[in-house]
Amino acid sequence: KAGVTQTPRYLIKTRGQQVTLSCSPISGHRSVSWYQQTPGQGLQFLFEYFSETQRNKGNFPGRFSGRQFSNSRSEMNVSTLELGDSALYLCASSFRTSGGPSTDTQYFGPGTRLTVL
Amino acid sequence: AQSVSQHNHHVILSEAASLELGCNYSYGGTVNLFWYVQYPGQHLQLLLKYFSGDPLVKGIKGFEAEFIKSKFSFNLRKPSVQWSDTAEYFCAVTEGRRALTFGSGTRLQVQP
Repeated sequence: KAGVTQTPRYLIKTRGQQVTLSCSPISGHRSVSWYQQTPGQGLQFLFEYFSETQRNKGNFPGRFSGRQFSNSRSEMNVSTLELGDSALYLCASSFRTSGGPSTDTQYFGPGTRLTVL
Repeated sequence: AQSVSQHNHHVILSEAASLELGCNYSYGGTVNLFWYVQYPGQHLQLLLKYFSGDPLVKGIKGFEAEFIKSKFSFNLRKPSVQWSDTAEYFCAVTEGRRALTFGSGTRLQVQP
């Protein structure tokens, strides 16, 4: 089975621009979560989508948004980029069932490294 | 608020030494516990997980972890480390339907 794929792998943007990152989950996985990884803050949860609906949201400003499509693929958008948004953005998928607890293992993709200049 | 603490930020060991990495969490309810590893240049991979049952969990590559509920701990152990274990290790916890909360990570450097 192919793993979680993320595109692009590297991205350089300037302050004020917006960016869209894409994630394709493992086939059959319906839950997709996004995380931001930085040296200072570590791994922080952004949001989780299941069946095209946002199920959980982390403590990030509204500039960070996401969506999920009917084929479970997900996109994450960051508007009005700031220098502090430079990070590795990780996507993870799991075979989480609707209404079930978070016991399913999350499988992570390689990440998109975003640099904001 | 939920939190996960990994007190060892950087550990340096020689090959064949024993390893124990600490992980403590602050949840009061039923938790699900994970250890993930990130090898240099690679993505996060699951080492092991605990949901219920035997509190001593065995994972891949000879790693194990013990869940001690009374101490809110889930420490990772390996009896004899190898140079290839050099990586960053993350403890993560989830409760109910909440999202994963990660610890700050422990960078392990194994010297040959």
